[in-house]
Order: sequence, then C-alpha cells, then structure tokens
Amino acid sequence: TQLLEQSPQFLSIQEGENLTVYCNSSSVFSSLQWYRQEPGEGPVLLVTVVTGGEVKKLKRLTFQFGDARKDSSLHITAAQPGDTGLYLCAGIYGNKLVFGAGTILRVKS
Amino acid sequence: DAGVTQSPTHLIKTRGQQVTLRCSPKSGHDTVSWYQQALGQGPQFIFQYYEEEERQRGNFPDRFSGHQFPNYSSELNVNALLLGDSALYLCASSSDRRPYNEQFFGPGTRLTVL
Repeated sequence: TQLLEQSPQFLSIQEGENLTVYCNSSSVFSSLQWYRQEPGEGPVLLVTVVTGGEVKKLKRLTFQFGDARKDSSLHITAAQPGDTGLYLCAGIYGNKLVFGAGTILRVKS
Repeated sequence: DAGVTQSPTHLIKTRGQQVTLRCSPKSGHDTVSWYQQALGQGPQFIFQYYEEEERQRGNFPDRFSGHQFPNYSSELNVNALLLGDSALYLCASSSDRRPYNEQFFGPGTRLTVL
C-alpha cells in the first residue's frame, strides 16, 4: 500500500508570509505531482517532478523532489489571499495517482 | 476547448439505491479515471478506463462499476448505496500518449446518501 503523508494539515497565515508544505512516503515514486483544489472544483495540476533532487519554480511557488524520490516539498514565498486552497501531493504509481490527505492553506489579508 | 465535464453536479439518494454519474473527457484525451474524495481527505482512486476496458482498479468493492464508450466518455455506477458512499466523485481524463500521467480533473459530482 502506497501512502503519502502531508503536513501540516492546516495552515493559516498572514499575507506576505512564507510557508512550506511537506509530502512524505515510505514508497518510492517514479514521479510526483502537486495539485491545488478550491471549494466546489476539481484539483488543478501545478507541477510534475520526476528526477530525484529536482527543483521547479512556478512564480512564487518552489517545488522540490527528494533525492530518494520518497518526499517532496512546496514552498510559497510572500503568500497572497489568492493562494488560499487545498494543496494535494500525488504520487504516480502505474496508471493511478495516490494522493495525500492535503494541506488546507488560508491566507488572510 | 472544453475541459472535463461531469453530470450531475449534485445528487441526493437514499440507502440501497443505485446511482450513475457521467463524465466527458477533455478533447483529445482517451483515458478516464474516477476518484472518490471524502470530506477532508484526498481523492482515492476507484478505477481507470482505456479503450473501453477497465485497465486498473483501486481498493473499492464490486458495487462500484464503470463503463467507457467509443467516444471516450465514461459512466460510474454505484449499486446498493451506503451512507459511507457520500463523497465528491471526481473524473479525470488523460492521454495515453502523454508522459507522467498528467490528469485533468472535472469539477466533480457531490453525492449525498441519506
């Protein structure tokens, strides 16, 4: 059974602060994805990381894949209210995605 | 270009009933996956359809079944509904020709079982 654990479960911060969300597993994944989901909508893909140690940047978001491809992190710089949402990591295992439980981020103005 | 569409958006059923949810994939996509997302949880993989056949299945009972049509659209059927089946059901489409299983999700169908 492949499990992904995300931490923290909930994060409430002020606009302009920085934050990091973590995604950990005991299993090795061929690649890992990060999604953002807003209420009443499906998850939207942010990034796919493939190579151990890989770092990808998407504007104020920085994604890192662990060297052993068992963990990943998402760092947001100068968070804005528009970043509010549920952040999900998902490991690609064969044809299916294995999701973590998610981190609920609330950015207050 | 229309994205993934799902119908209905909301549904209320009672225990023991049967339900059918529908999904139209993004244009150019040939693979459809279904996920169940309980409140406060991440999506859980139910199954995936490709070339009108179930290609992979998650840890869900046989009460959950599906179908894919020649136009790549798909249906999810759930029989003998239980209270625990209340959840957001997400459909995701992808192309078997693209790498890394990049899946595009629809808005979901919110199923409530009373």
